Amino acid sequence: AQSVTQLDSQVPVFEEAPVELRCNYSSSVSVYLFWYVQYPNQGLQLLLKYLSGSTLVKGINGFEAEFNKSQTSFHLRKPSVHISDTAEYFCAVSDRYNFNKFYFGSGTKLNVKP
Amino acid sequence: DGGITQSPKYLFRKEGQNVTLSCEQNLNHDAMYWYRQDPGQGLRLIYYSQIVNDFQKGDIAEGYSVSREKKESFPLTVTSAQKNPTAFYLCASTLDRANTEAFFGQGTRLTVV
Repeated sequence: AQSVTQLDSQVPVFEEAPVELRCNYSSSVSVYLFWYVQYPNQGLQLLLKYLSGSTLVKGINGFEAEFNKSQTSFHLRKPSVHISDTAEYFCAVSDRYNFNKFYFGSGTKLNVKP
Repeated sequence: DGGITQSPKYLFRKEGQNVTLSCEQNLNHDAMYWYRQDPGQGLRLIYYSQIVNDFQKGDIAEGYSVSREKKESFPLTVTSAQKNPTAFYLCASTLDRANTEAFFGQGTRLTVV
């Protein structure tokens, strides 16, 4: 089974500063990769996903992520954060050959300060 | 608009009671899932269903039950056998078995009083 590691449980950052949220997974064999955002007491919303092709993926709200197969990483980045980006972010992996299995990291709380 | 509707948003349960959480989707998705979310633990899979009248246990199925009588509906029952049911519950769906994206409902927060 896959495992997903988000090493940073909380990331404080000042508004307009850049941010990187880290995600590593256990195996690079035939996976799809996702980042979801969750606002308090709400469901998860897809930010971006990597299925194939270019390793740099752009998503909503100015976020992007880069798939690095050799390092089994899929870090999320934004060059300039806003107060409204304060939320919890989840990295997820699905196995192309193990249908309907999504594996989630433990989440990273991004706290953007004015 | 298409989406997943979970109800109720907040639910309080007395110890020893069974409660049922509703999940309805109008996306015409084949697969549906229930996840449990606890602080600092991410999402853990309770049950999933690939087609009508079929479902499988996830990683933490003990104390829970589900049914899938209709494609659009996947209710979750939290039974009295679930030792620590207080949590945030999320329902999700995917179009097919390709795992290319999961869509989530807004969640139900269950509290045992």
